[in-house]
Parts: sequence; structure tokens; C-alpha cells
Amino acid sequence: GESVGLHLPTLSVQEGDNSIINCAYSNSASDYFIWYKQESGKGPQFIIDIRSNMDKRQGQRVTVLLNKTVKHLSLQIAATQPGDSAVYFCAERMDSSYKLIFGSGTRLLVRP
Amino acid sequence: DAMVIQNPRYQVTQFGKPVTLSCSQTLNHNVMYWYQQKSSQAPKLLFHYYDKDFNNEADTPDNFQSRRPNTSFCFLDIRSPGLGDAAMYLCATSRAGDEQFFGPGTRLTVL
Repeated sequence: GESVGLHLPTLSVQEGDNSIINCAYSNSASDYFIWYKQESGKGPQFIIDIRSNMDKRQGQRVTVLLNKTVKHLSLQIAATQPGDSAVYFCAERMDSSYKLIFGSGTRLLVRP
Repeated sequence: DAMVIQNPRYQVTQFGKPVTLSCSQTLNHNVMYWYQQKSSQAPKLLFHYYDKDFNNEADTPDNFQSRRPNTSFCFLDIRSPGLGDAAMYLCATSRAGDEQFFGPGTRLTVL
């Protein structure tokens, strides 16, 4: 059968609060970053992306912040809802590559 | 709606019995990827096609093969599945390295 997976870090928030999920990326040559949301039994779903020439990008209820100095990426979710409960992965793309390198993921649990 | 489709959604096979998973896309993207994802882990890239050019990851076992007969379809062949190959297999597409669009995955069980 399937091998036992690693324990995912978990963020537990109250419904209506803001959530911040952090990610440290590995390569200073990475030029493109994406946040994906993955619900149980489903494929990853695109949330928001950002290119390395930006430090902030906003979507609907979500904001991504990029700090290239310390190679840090964060995803902020405003007014977190029960439907936001999922595993969130950051991913980076190295310059001139077609491949994404995924971070280890964070599980977000929203308490009613 | 344009999308990435994977069939079957659930596949059960016996130890050592070859299995083929399929992926199709209506996005007309030139890059297609196959990932393996185990429980509570990030997707792990097995290989990708840029048009007809096949790109294998260095640590992908020889047991895993792929075919892309045309732009729309890509197949993952597991020649002799072992218990350790039980996982979710994800297909994704992109337009030359931009955002990757994922299919719903195929859950493989090996008995």
C-alpha cells in the first residue's frame, strides 16, 4: 500500500479571521511563483501567481507577498471561510525552465 | 469548458501487472507533465513533454514510461507496479512554462 506521508504543518484559524501561510523557496534564480490549493482527493488548483519583478500581488480575498532578499513567499487570505480548508502549496519556477519546484505544503483548518 | 481530464479516477491493479493512466486536455497547451503524489506530500515531477520532446527527471524509475501521441493526449505507463507505486498520479499542462493546470488525478491502488 501507500507509504506513510510526512506530517504536514497545520495552521488552524477561526472563521472570519485572516490567514497567513508562509513558504521559504530555495533558488535565488527563480523568476515565477505560484500558490496552489489542494482539497482532499482533488488536483491542485491555481490561486495566485507573482513574478520576481513584483513584491506584492492581490486577488480576490488573497494577497501574495514576495521577499527576494530572504527568499520568502507568503499567502494571505482575508476573512477565511470554511471552504478555504485545504492544503496549500507554494511552487517556484527557475528562470528559463518549464518545471515547478513545489514546497512541502501547509494544511489550513478553519474552525467554525 | 477547457480542462484537463484524467481517466480513470481510480485504478486498482495487482503487483507486477502493467497499468496505463491517461490524460487529455482541451487547452491546446504544448507542455504536459506527470506527477506522483503520496499522502501528505508535495507533487513529485516524473517527466514532462514539451511538444514531442520528452524530458525525464533523473530520479524517475525506469518502471515509469510515458507516451504523447498528439497534443491532446498523454499516457503514463507503469510496467511492473510495486506496492510503493500506490499514489495519486496528477497530470498537468502549461503554455510554455506559465501556470500549470492540473487534472483531478488518478488514485492508484496496488494489491
